[in-house]
Amino acid sequence: AQSVTQLGSHVSVSEGALVLLRCNYSSSVPPYLFWYVQYPNQGLQLLLKYTSAATLVKGINGFEAEFKKSETSFHLTKPSAHMSDAAEYFCAVRGTGNQFYFGTGTSLTVIP
Amino acid sequence: ETGVTQTPRHLVMGMTNKKSLKCEQHLGHNAMYWYKQSAKKPLELMFVYNFKEQTENNSVPSRFSPECPNSSHLFLHLHTLQPEDSALYLCASSQVGTTSINEQFFGPGTRLTVL
Repeated sequence: AQSVTQLGSHVSVSEGALVLLRCNYSSSVPPYLFWYVQYPNQGLQLLLKYTSAATLVKGINGFEAEFKKSETSFHLTKPSAHMSDAAEYFCAVRGTGNQFYFGTGTSLTVIP
Repeated sequence: ETGVTQTPRHLVMGMTNKKSLKCEQHLGHNAMYWYKQSAKKPLELMFVYNFKEQTENNSVPSRFSPECPNSSHLFLHLHTLQPEDSALYLCASSQVGTTSINEQFFGPGTRLTVL
Protein backbone atom coordinates (compact mmCIF):
# COMPACT_ATOMS: atom_id res chain seq x y z
CA ALA A 1 0.00 0.00 0.00
CA GLN A 2 1.08 3.55 -0.64
CA SER A 3 0.77 6.57 1.64
CA VAL A 4 2.43 9.86 2.43
CA THR A 5 2.96 11.72 5.67
CA GLN A 6 3.47 15.45 5.82
CA LEU A 7 5.22 16.60 8.96
CA GLY A 8 3.96 19.91 10.22
CA SER A 9 0.49 21.08 9.37
CA HIS A 10 1.62 24.70 9.60
CA VAL A 11 4.93 26.25 8.60
CA SER A 12 5.82 29.93 8.91
CA VAL A 13 8.81 31.54 7.26
CA SER A 14 9.99 35.08 6.77
CA GLU A 15 9.96 36.57 3.31
CA GLY A 16 13.26 35.71 1.66
CA ALA A 17 13.97 32.76 3.94
CA LEU A 18 14.30 29.12 2.96
CA VAL A 19 11.10 27.13 2.59
CA LEU A 20 11.23 23.46 3.62
CA LEU A 21 8.09 21.34 3.59
CA ARG A 22 8.49 17.73 4.61
CA CYS A 23 6.98 14.65 3.05
CA ASN A 24 7.74 11.01 3.79
CA TYR A 25 6.27 8.23 1.75
CA SER A 26 5.50 4.58 2.16
CA SER A 27 5.37 2.42 -0.90
CA SER A 28 5.88 -1.24 -1.67
CA VAL A 29 6.92 -0.41 -5.21
CA PRO A 30 9.09 2.37 -6.67
CA PRO A 31 7.02 5.43 -5.98
CA TYR A 32 5.77 8.18 -8.21
CA LEU A 33 5.57 11.31 -6.08
CA PHE A 34 3.96 14.68 -6.55
CA TRP A 35 3.69 18.05 -4.88
CA TYR A 36 0.59 20.16 -5.39
CA VAL A 37 -0.23 23.67 -4.22
CA GLN A 38 -3.68 24.99 -3.39
CA TYR A 39 -4.40 28.70 -3.17
CA PRO A 40 -7.53 29.89 -1.35
CA ASN A 41 -10.76 29.03 -3.12
CA GLN A 42 -8.94 27.17 -5.87
CA GLY A 43 -8.22 23.60 -6.84
CA LEU A 44 -4.87 21.86 -6.62
CA GLN A 45 -2.13 22.82 -9.05
CA LEU A 46 0.85 20.60 -9.81
CA LEU A 47 4.19 21.98 -8.62
CA LEU A 48 6.41 19.07 -9.62
CA LYS A 49 6.57 15.31 -9.94
CA TYR A 50 9.11 12.54 -9.49
CA THR A 51 8.90 9.64 -11.90
CA SER A 52 12.18 7.79 -11.26
CA ALA A 53 14.35 9.93 -13.52
CA ALA A 54 16.52 12.55 -11.79
CA THR A 55 16.30 12.52 -8.00
CA LEU A 56 16.31 16.32 -7.86
CA VAL A 57 13.17 17.61 -9.48
CA LYS A 58 12.60 21.22 -10.38
CA GLY A 59 9.11 22.62 -10.53
CA ILE A 60 7.30 25.84 -11.08
CA ASN A 61 7.66 29.04 -9.08
CA GLY A 62 11.23 28.19 -8.02
CA PHE A 63 10.32 25.07 -6.04
CA GLU A 64 12.26 21.84 -6.14
CA ALA A 65 12.19 18.52 -4.35
CA GLU A 66 14.72 15.78 -3.80
CA PHE A 67 13.84 12.12 -3.78
CA LYS A 68 15.83 10.24 -1.13
CA LYS A 69 15.13 6.54 -1.16
CA SER A 70 17.23 5.84 1.94
CA GLU A 71 15.11 8.29 3.93
CA THR A 72 11.84 7.60 2.08
CA SER A 73 11.50 11.34 1.76
CA PHE A 74 10.48 13.83 -0.90
CA HIS A 75 10.83 17.21 0.79
CA LEU A 76 9.88 20.41 -1.02
CA THR A 77 12.19 23.41 -0.88
CA LYS A 78 12.50 26.92 -2.19
CA PRO A 79 15.58 29.05 -1.48
CA SER A 80 13.76 32.32 -0.92
CA ALA A 81 10.12 32.61 0.12
CA HIS A 82 7.85 35.13 -1.52
CA MET A 83 4.59 36.45 -0.17
CA SER A 84 2.78 34.83 -3.08
CA ASP A 85 3.95 31.38 -1.87
CA ALA A 86 1.47 31.46 1.01
CA ALA A 87 -0.83 28.52 0.31
CA GLU A 88 -1.60 24.93 1.22
CA TYR A 89 0.84 22.32 -0.07
CA PHE A 90 0.03 18.67 -0.60
CA CYS A 91 2.34 15.75 -1.16
CA ALA A 92 0.92 12.75 -3.02
CA VAL A 93 1.98 9.30 -4.14
CA ARG A 94 0.47 7.41 -7.02
CA GLY A 95 -0.85 4.02 -6.09
CA THR A 96 -2.22 1.16 -8.10
CA GLY A 97 -5.00 1.80 -10.56
CA ASN A 98 -3.78 5.35 -11.02
CA GLN A 99 -5.17 6.34 -7.62
CA PHE A 100 -3.40 9.18 -5.86
CA TYR A 101 -2.94 9.22 -2.10
CA PHE A 102 -2.60 12.69 -0.63
CA GLY A 103 -1.14 13.90 2.62
CA THR A 104 -3.05 16.08 5.04
CA GLY A 105 -1.39 19.20 3.71
CA THR A 106 0.94 21.87 5.08
CA SER A 107 -0.21 25.45 5.33
CA LEU A 108 2.62 27.84 4.52
CA THR A 109 2.55 31.34 5.94
CA VAL A 110 5.06 33.92 4.72
CA ILE A 111 5.79 36.73 7.15
CA PRO A 112 6.75 40.09 5.63
CA GLU B 1 -12.76 27.24 -21.32
CA THR B 2 -9.55 25.50 -20.48
CA GLY B 3 -8.48 22.87 -18.01
CA VAL B 4 -11.08 21.50 -15.63
CA THR B 5 -14.17 23.52 -14.80
CA GLN B 6 -16.73 22.96 -12.06
CA THR B 7 -20.16 24.43 -11.47
CA PRO B 8 -21.53 25.72 -9.27
CA ARG B 9 -18.63 27.15 -7.27
CA HIS B 10 -20.77 27.47 -4.17
CA LEU B 11 -23.87 25.56 -3.13
CA VAL B 12 -26.03 25.74 -0.05
CA MET B 13 -28.68 23.10 0.31
CA GLY B 14 -31.04 21.70 2.86
CA MET B 15 -30.94 18.10 3.96
CA THR B 16 -34.01 17.25 1.87
CA ASN B 17 -32.88 18.92 -1.35
CA LYS B 18 -31.60 17.27 -4.50
CA LYS B 19 -28.81 18.98 -6.37
CA SER B 20 -26.05 18.11 -8.83
CA LEU B 21 -22.45 19.15 -9.22
CA LYS B 22 -21.00 19.36 -12.69
CA CYS B 23 -17.45 18.90 -13.88
CA GLU B 24 -16.09 19.30 -17.39
CA GLN B 25 -12.56 18.69 -18.58
CA HIS B 26 -11.18 20.28 -21.74
CA LEU B 27 -7.91 18.34 -21.77
CA GLY B 28 -8.84 15.27 -23.77
CA HIS B 29 -8.26 13.00 -20.79
CA ASN B 30 -9.84 9.59 -20.37
CA ALA B 31 -10.16 9.40 -16.58
CA MET B 32 -12.08 11.59 -14.14
CA TYR B 33 -12.30 11.68 -10.37
CA TRP B 34 -14.37 13.09 -7.52
CA TYR B 35 -12.65 14.02 -4.27
CA LYS B 36 -14.00 15.35 -0.99
CA GLN B 37 -11.82 17.85 0.85
CA SER B 38 -12.69 18.48 4.49
CA ALA B 39 -10.74 20.63 6.91
CA LYS B 40 -7.82 18.89 8.62
CA LYS B 41 -8.33 15.67 6.66
CA PRO B 42 -6.56 14.22 3.62
CA LEU B 43 -8.30 14.41 0.31
CA GLU B 44 -10.77 11.58 0.11
CA LEU B 45 -11.12 9.88 -3.24
CA MET B 46 -14.80 9.19 -3.83
CA PHE B 47 -15.19 7.90 -7.39
CA VAL B 48 -13.00 7.09 -10.36
CA TYR B 49 -14.10 6.78 -13.97
CA ASN B 50 -11.83 5.34 -16.65
CA PHE B 51 -13.14 5.56 -20.19
CA LYS B 52 -16.60 6.45 -18.77
CA GLU B 53 -16.70 3.29 -16.67
CA GLN B 54 -16.72 3.55 -12.90
CA THR B 55 -13.71 1.71 -11.56
CA GLU B 56 -13.61 2.85 -7.95
CA ASN B 57 -16.23 3.59 -5.34
CA ASN B 58 -14.48 4.10 -2.07
CA SER B 59 -17.31 3.22 0.31
CA VAL B 60 -19.19 6.38 -0.48
CA PRO B 61 -22.74 6.63 0.95
CA SER B 62 -25.50 6.14 -1.58
CA ARG B 63 -26.71 9.70 -1.08
CA PHE B 64 -23.86 10.54 -3.48
CA SER B 65 -24.49 9.27 -7.00
CA PRO B 66 -21.97 9.85 -9.79
CA GLU B 67 -22.70 9.97 -13.49
CA CYS B 68 -20.24 10.07 -16.37
CA PRO B 69 -22.10 10.41 -19.68
CA ASN B 70 -18.90 10.86 -21.68
CA SER B 71 -15.18 11.21 -21.08
CA SER B 72 -15.42 15.00 -20.77
CA HIS B 73 -18.27 15.34 -18.29
CA LEU B 74 -18.75 14.12 -14.75
CA PHE B 75 -21.66 14.77 -12.41
CA LEU B 76 -22.21 14.19 -8.73
CA HIS B 77 -25.86 13.92 -7.82
CA LEU B 78 -26.69 14.76 -4.22
CA HIS B 79 -29.80 13.89 -2.20
CA THR B 80 -30.73 13.80 1.47
CA LEU B 81 -27.28 14.94 2.53
CA GLN B 82 -26.12 15.39 6.10
CA PRO B 83 -24.39 18.42 7.62
CA GLU B 84 -21.14 16.44 7.81
CA ASP B 85 -21.18 16.28 4.02
CA SER B 86 -20.33 19.97 3.93
CA ALA B 87 -16.94 20.22 2.25
CA LEU B 88 -15.10 21.26 -0.87
CA TYR B 89 -15.76 18.80 -3.68
CA LEU B 90 -12.99 18.62 -6.21
CA CYS B 91 -13.08 17.13 -9.66
CA ALA B 92 -9.92 15.98 -11.41
CA SER B 93 -8.93 14.38 -14.69
CA SER B 94 -5.91 12.57 -16.04
CA GLN B 95 -4.73 10.53 -18.96
CA VAL B 96 -4.30 6.86 -18.12
CA GLY B 97 -3.12 3.86 -20.06
CA THR B 98 0.08 5.38 -21.39
CA THR B 99 3.65 4.67 -20.46
CA SER B 100 4.20 8.08 -18.93
CA ILE B 101 3.23 8.95 -15.38
CA ASN B 102 0.51 11.51 -15.73
CA GLU B 103 -0.58 13.82 -13.01
CA GLN B 104 -4.14 14.71 -12.16
CA PHE B 105 -5.49 18.10 -13.11
CA PHE B 106 -7.95 19.64 -10.69
CA GLY B 107 -10.90 21.94 -11.05
CA PRO B 108 -11.50 24.84 -8.64
CA GLY B 109 -14.01 22.88 -6.59
CA THR B 110 -17.56 23.34 -5.39
CA ARG B 111 -17.92 24.58 -1.82
CA LEU B 112 -20.95 22.70 -0.47
CA THR B 113 -22.78 23.67 2.69
CA VAL B 114 -25.55 21.41 3.99
CA LEU B 115 -27.90 23.07 6.45
